Amino acid sequence: DAGITQSPRHKVTETGTPVTLRCHQTENHRYMYWYRQDPGHGLRLIHYSYGVKDTDKGEVSDGYSVSRSKTEDFLLTLESATSSQTSVYFCAISGTGLEAFFGQGTRLTVV
Amino acid sequence: AQRVTQPEKLLSVFKGAPVELKCNYSYSGSPELFWYVQYSRQRLQLLLRHISRESIKGFTADLNKGETSFHLKKPFAQEEDSAMYYCALRQGGANNLFFGTGTRLTVIP
Repeated sequence: DAGITQSPRHKVTETGTPVTLRCHQTENHRYMYWYRQDPGHGLRLIHYSYGVKDTDKGEVSDGYSVSRSKTEDFLLTLESATSSQTSVYFCAISGTGLEAFFGQGTRLTVV
Repeated sequence: AQRVTQPEKLLSVFKGAPVELKCNYSYSGSPELFWYVQYSRQRLQLLLRHISRESIKGFTADLNKGETSFHLKKPFAQEEDSAMYYCALRQGGANNLFFGTGTRLTVIP
């Protein structure tokens, strides 16, 4: 498996609280991504990064922000969590090749 | 805009039967298409990419530009093929992948 880890793996939080999910890679890949996986929607791109401090919005970026201060870390922040953000979040990385490698996912529940 | 369409949410076949998971795409340029698979309790992983024209675990997929399709096929399904399958289109300079909604394949013993 590619060296990519997500933390935490599970989290339950209350509506209105801030939440930060972390993606850490040891592959020195340039590109990093955050997806959410929901039944009936598949995986949808939230934000992506193409280098340190270089990020951009994906398909479903409202309510989310990201930061990448180091090559190896890509943080996803929900500033004020809502129930609609209950989902499974996946981080992915890719380098010069076309293959993307995925983390094991973070199951987030907003109550 | 819907870039990738997987019309079947669920697909069940008997062991040994042929299986075809459908994928259609919409893209004006030269598409780069992939199939990813997620086995139970495992992370998403690449199964096939169209440019390599390879066969992995007995699966093949041919890009048909005329029909804008990239269907995944296997002549004889095995129980271990039961999983969630996603078709994906690469678009954009950052290798962004856009996924279909997925098809859950169940192979019945």
